[in-house]
Amino acid sequence: DSGVTQTPKHLITATGQRVTLRCSPRSGDLSVYWYQQSLDQGLQFLIQYYNGEERAKGNILERFSAQQFPDLHSELNLSSLELGDSALYFCASSPRGVRETQYFGPGTRLLVL
Amino acid sequence: AQKVTQAQTEISVVEKEDVTLDCVYETRDTTYYLFWYKQPPSGELVFLIRRNSFDEQNEISGRYSWNFQKSTSSFNFTITASQVVDSAVYFCALSETSRDDKIIFGKGTRLHILP
Repeated sequence: DSGVTQTPKHLITATGQRVTLRCSPRSGDLSVYWYQQSLDQGLQFLIQYYNGEERAKGNILERFSAQQFPDLHSELNLSSLELGDSALYFCASSPRGVRETQYFGPGTRLLVL
Repeated sequence: AQKVTQAQTEISVVEKEDVTLDCVYETRDTTYYLFWYKQPPSGELVFLIRRNSFDEQNEISGRYSWNFQKSTSSFNFTITASQVVDSAVYFCALSETSRDDKIIFGKGTRLHILP
């Protein structure tokens, strides 16, 4: 158990809908990262937050947004969902930055029908 | 441009054999970080190692070892005396300090350890 929790574990929704994925980092970790893993795109870094502020941005679509709250949990919002958004979404956390060990959550598997 | 290439899509070896997973990267930065991650069949991602560009010393952790060579832009991963539990997909990744911690992953190498 990495100490990083993600909810929900599975999500099935329809095209055009909006969903929110939630991540709670390990106690004391200030950085949260979001990754998307799909069959065609592989593993992609989406975005990183550090202590509530956006720190780095990867291949995150404009339809997606994220935020980190004062209690350090993070949410990834996916809107106007398309079939291609079906993927495994991972959250990870680290004490400060990417140059440290990252602890991954179990992932949220999203299926868009 | 920032790029990570894992040319080996899939490898199968018999248990107890040694196996090396290749990783070649491209970067214009002089300061960068390299990583390896493991994704077993259960699906979770496990962080294995990070190495900064100023430290070219090879690292060994049990049966795992990493060979970082800046001259060839490679960061290869070797498993000695492989075990069935090593079966997984392994990802190599790169982060350039000039790109605010953005991480680029390779496509991954699927490793099968046959009993």
